[in-house]
Amino acid sequence: ETGVTQSPTHLIKTRGQQVTLRCSSQSGHNTVSWYQQALGQGPQFIFQYYREEENGRGNFPPRFSGLQFPNYSSELNVNALELDDSALYLCASSLNQGNEKLFFGSGTQLSVL
Amino acid sequence: KQEVTQIPAALSVPEGENLVLNCSFTDSAIYNLQWFRQDPGKGLTSLLLIQSSQREQTSGRLNASLDKSSGRSTLYIAASQPGDSATYLCAVQDGDYKLSFGAGTTVTVRA
Repeated sequence: ETGVTQSPTHLIKTRGQQVTLRCSSQSGHNTVSWYQQALGQGPQFIFQYYREEENGRGNFPPRFSGLQFPNYSSELNVNALELDDSALYLCASSLNQGNEKLFFGSGTQLSVL
Repeated sequence: KQEVTQIPAALSVPEGENLVLNCSFTDSAIYNLQWFRQDPGKGLTSLLLIQSSQREQTSGRLNASLDKSSGRSTLYIAASQPGDSATYLCAVQDGDYKLSFGAGTTVTVRA
Protein backbone atom coordinates (compact mmCIF):
# COMPACT_ATOMS: atom_id res chain seq x y z
CA GLU A 1 0.00 0.00 0.00
CA THR A 2 1.32 3.43 -0.97
CA GLY A 3 -0.90 5.62 1.21
CA VAL A 4 -2.38 7.30 -1.87
CA THR A 5 -6.14 6.80 -2.02
CA GLN A 6 -8.46 7.50 -4.93
CA SER A 7 -12.24 7.65 -5.11
CA PRO A 8 -14.41 6.36 -6.55
CA THR A 9 -12.87 3.11 -7.77
CA HIS A 10 -15.30 2.76 -10.66
CA LEU A 11 -17.59 5.22 -12.40
CA ILE A 12 -19.98 5.07 -15.35
CA LYS A 13 -21.00 8.28 -17.10
CA THR A 14 -22.77 9.29 -20.28
CA ARG A 15 -21.21 11.29 -23.09
CA GLY A 16 -21.48 15.04 -22.42
CA GLN A 17 -21.62 14.71 -18.64
CA GLN A 18 -19.07 16.03 -16.17
CA VAL A 19 -17.04 14.00 -13.65
CA THR A 20 -14.90 14.71 -10.58
CA LEU A 21 -12.26 12.27 -9.39
CA ARG A 22 -10.55 12.59 -6.01
CA CYS A 23 -7.13 11.77 -4.64
CA SER A 24 -5.64 11.90 -1.16
CA SER A 25 -1.87 12.11 -1.26
CA GLN A 26 0.51 10.26 1.00
CA SER A 27 1.17 12.02 4.30
CA GLY A 28 3.84 14.70 3.95
CA HIS A 29 3.68 14.82 0.14
CA ASN A 30 3.04 18.24 -1.42
CA THR A 31 3.02 17.27 -5.10
CA VAL A 32 0.26 15.43 -6.94
CA SER A 33 0.22 14.29 -10.57
CA TRP A 34 -2.61 12.81 -12.63
CA TYR A 35 -2.26 10.28 -15.43
CA GLN A 36 -4.69 8.74 -17.91
CA GLN A 37 -4.16 5.11 -18.93
CA ALA A 38 -6.14 3.75 -21.88
CA LEU A 39 -6.49 -0.01 -22.21
CA GLY A 40 -3.25 -1.65 -23.32
CA GLN A 41 -1.22 1.55 -23.17
CA GLY A 42 1.14 3.22 -20.75
CA PRO A 43 -0.12 6.09 -18.58
CA GLN A 44 -0.13 9.56 -20.14
CA PHE A 45 0.67 12.66 -18.05
CA ILE A 46 -2.29 15.03 -17.60
CA PHE A 47 -0.94 17.63 -15.14
CA GLN A 48 0.92 18.16 -11.89
CA TYR A 49 0.10 20.31 -8.86
CA TYR A 50 2.70 21.62 -6.44
CA ARG A 51 1.58 23.52 -3.34
CA GLU A 52 -1.87 24.22 -4.87
CA GLU A 53 -0.51 25.53 -8.19
CA GLU A 54 -0.52 23.74 -11.55
CA ASN A 55 3.13 23.56 -12.62
CA GLY A 56 3.07 21.21 -15.60
CA ARG A 57 0.53 20.01 -18.12
CA GLY A 58 0.50 17.31 -20.77
CA ASN A 59 -1.26 17.30 -24.12
CA PHE A 60 -4.83 17.36 -22.80
CA PRO A 61 -7.59 19.86 -23.70
CA PRO A 62 -8.83 22.54 -21.24
CA ARG A 63 -11.90 20.47 -20.36
CA PHE A 64 -9.48 18.51 -18.16
CA SER A 65 -8.92 20.67 -15.09
CA GLY A 66 -7.79 20.17 -11.54
CA LEU A 67 -7.41 21.53 -8.07
CA GLN A 68 -5.10 20.94 -5.16
CA PHE A 69 -6.27 21.81 -1.66
CA PRO A 70 -4.30 23.15 1.34
CA ASN A 71 -4.05 19.59 2.72
CA TYR A 72 -2.51 18.63 -0.68
CA SER A 73 -5.40 16.38 -1.68
CA SER A 74 -6.49 16.87 -5.28
CA GLU A 75 -9.38 16.67 -7.72
CA LEU A 76 -9.47 15.98 -11.44
CA ASN A 77 -12.48 17.39 -13.28
CA VAL A 78 -13.44 16.43 -16.80
CA ASN A 79 -16.21 18.35 -18.60
CA ALA A 80 -18.16 17.37 -21.70
CA LEU A 81 -17.13 13.72 -21.48
CA GLU A 82 -16.29 11.91 -24.71
CA LEU A 83 -16.20 8.17 -25.38
CA ASP A 84 -12.39 8.30 -25.66
CA ASP A 85 -12.19 9.56 -22.07
CA SER A 86 -12.90 5.98 -20.95
CA ALA A 87 -9.73 4.96 -19.15
CA LEU A 88 -8.06 4.27 -15.82
CA TYR A 89 -7.18 7.57 -14.11
CA LEU A 90 -4.18 7.37 -11.82
CA CYS A 91 -3.08 9.81 -9.16
CA ALA A 92 0.49 9.90 -7.88
CA SER A 93 2.03 11.86 -5.03
CA SER A 94 5.63 12.71 -4.26
CA LEU A 95 7.47 14.34 -1.39
CA ASN A 96 8.35 17.32 -3.55
CA GLN A 97 8.42 18.34 -7.19
CA GLY A 98 11.44 17.42 -9.27
CA ASN A 99 13.59 14.29 -9.00
CA GLU A 100 11.42 12.30 -6.63
CA LYS A 101 9.94 8.82 -6.43
CA LEU A 102 6.23 8.74 -7.28
CA PHE A 103 3.70 6.75 -5.29
CA PHE A 104 0.57 5.77 -7.20
CA GLY A 105 -2.97 5.12 -6.05
CA SER A 106 -5.10 2.21 -7.30
CA GLY A 107 -6.90 4.38 -9.83
CA THR A 108 -10.43 5.23 -10.88
CA GLN A 109 -11.83 3.25 -13.80
CA LEU A 110 -14.06 5.62 -15.82
CA SER A 111 -16.43 4.28 -18.46
CA VAL A 112 -18.18 6.76 -20.77
CA LEU A 113 -21.21 5.36 -22.61
CA LYS B 1 9.41 14.78 -27.16
CA GLN B 2 10.50 11.78 -25.09
CA GLU B 3 9.55 8.40 -26.57
CA VAL B 4 9.79 5.26 -24.44
CA THR B 5 9.66 1.80 -26.04
CA GLN B 6 9.44 -1.57 -24.35
CA ILE B 7 10.32 -4.82 -26.03
CA PRO B 8 8.89 -7.42 -26.07
CA ALA B 9 5.23 -6.48 -25.64
CA ALA B 10 4.50 -9.88 -24.10
CA LEU B 11 6.57 -12.71 -22.69
CA SER B 12 5.67 -16.21 -21.45
CA VAL B 13 8.20 -18.32 -19.55
CA PRO B 14 8.18 -21.47 -17.40
CA GLU B 15 8.59 -21.05 -13.68
CA GLY B 16 12.22 -20.75 -12.60
CA GLU B 17 13.47 -19.11 -15.77
CA ASN B 18 15.13 -15.69 -15.59
CA LEU B 19 13.26 -12.75 -17.14
CA VAL B 20 14.87 -9.99 -19.20
CA LEU B 21 12.74 -6.92 -19.99
CA ASN B 22 14.03 -4.12 -22.19
CA CYS B 23 13.29 -0.40 -22.25
CA SER B 24 14.65 2.29 -24.56
CA PHE B 25 14.18 6.06 -24.54
CA THR B 26 15.02 8.75 -27.06
CA ASP B 27 16.17 11.72 -24.93
CA SER B 28 19.03 11.01 -22.52
CA ALA B 29 18.43 14.21 -20.48
CA ILE B 30 16.59 12.41 -17.68
CA TYR B 31 16.51 12.74 -13.91
CA ASN B 32 15.79 9.09 -13.30
CA LEU B 33 14.27 5.91 -14.69
CA GLN B 34 11.67 3.91 -12.80
CA TRP B 35 10.30 0.40 -13.21
CA PHE B 36 6.75 -0.33 -12.11
CA ARG B 37 4.57 -3.41 -11.84
CA GLN B 38 0.86 -3.29 -12.68
CA ASP B 39 -1.67 -6.03 -12.04
CA PRO B 40 -4.81 -6.07 -14.25
CA GLY B 41 -7.07 -3.07 -13.59
CA LYS B 42 -4.89 -1.90 -10.69
CA GLY B 43 -2.53 0.96 -9.93
CA LEU B 44 1.24 0.98 -10.26
CA THR B 45 3.66 -0.48 -7.74
CA SER B 46 7.14 1.02 -7.81
CA LEU B 47 9.86 -1.63 -8.12
CA LEU B 48 13.13 0.22 -8.66
CA LEU B 49 14.28 3.79 -9.25
CA ILE B 50 17.65 4.45 -10.88
CA GLN B 51 19.05 7.97 -10.70
CA SER B 52 20.64 9.28 -13.91
CA SER B 53 24.08 9.12 -12.24
CA GLN B 54 23.69 5.43 -11.34
CA ARG B 55 24.33 2.33 -13.44
CA GLU B 56 22.12 -0.16 -11.62
CA GLN B 57 19.82 -0.86 -8.71
CA THR B 58 18.98 -4.15 -7.01
CA SER B 59 16.12 -5.29 -4.82
CA GLY B 60 15.83 -8.96 -3.96
CA ARG B 61 15.41 -10.93 -7.19
CA LEU B 62 15.18 -7.72 -9.23
CA ASN B 63 18.07 -5.92 -10.86
CA ALA B 64 17.78 -2.95 -13.20
CA SER B 65 20.57 -1.43 -15.25
CA LEU B 66 20.73 1.97 -16.90
CA ASP B 67 22.89 3.09 -19.84
CA LYS B 68 21.86 6.71 -20.18
CA SER B 69 24.15 7.50 -23.10
CA SER B 70 22.58 4.80 -25.26
CA GLY B 71 19.07 5.35 -23.90
CA ARG B 72 18.57 1.84 -22.58
CA SER B 73 17.52 0.07 -19.39
CA THR B 74 17.07 -3.61 -18.64
CA LEU B 75 15.09 -5.20 -15.83
CA TYR B 76 16.22 -8.68 -14.78
CA ILE B 77 14.00 -10.89 -12.64
CA ALA B 78 15.78 -13.98 -11.37
CA ALA B 79 14.12 -17.37 -10.85
CA SER B 80 10.65 -16.27 -11.96
CA GLN B 81 7.55 -17.37 -10.05
CA PRO B 82 3.86 -17.44 -11.08
CA GLY B 83 3.31 -14.47 -8.76
CA ASP B 84 5.58 -12.41 -11.02
CA SER B 85 2.90 -12.52 -13.73
CA ALA B 86 1.94 -8.88 -14.37
CA THR B 87 2.62 -5.98 -16.71
CA TYR B 88 5.94 -4.23 -16.17
CA LEU B 89 6.21 -0.56 -17.09
CA CYS B 90 9.30 1.53 -17.59
CA ALA B 91 9.14 5.32 -17.14
CA VAL B 92 11.65 8.16 -17.39
CA GLN B 93 11.42 11.44 -15.50
CA ASP B 94 12.72 14.35 -17.52
CA GLY B 95 13.32 18.07 -17.01
CA ASP B 96 9.71 19.11 -16.50
CA TYR B 97 9.24 16.40 -13.92
CA LYS B 98 6.55 14.31 -15.59
CA LEU B 99 6.97 10.60 -16.18
CA SER B 100 6.96 9.34 -19.76
CA PHE B 101 5.92 5.70 -19.87
CA GLY B 102 6.37 2.83 -22.24
CA ALA B 103 3.40 0.65 -23.14
CA GLY B 104 4.66 -2.16 -20.92
CA THR B 105 5.68 -5.80 -21.18
CA THR B 106 3.06 -8.32 -20.09
CA VAL B 107 4.71 -11.28 -18.39
CA THR B 108 3.17 -14.70 -17.85
CA VAL B 109 5.05 -17.22 -15.71
CA ARG B 110 3.72 -20.76 -16.26
CA ALA B 111 3.69 -23.13 -13.28
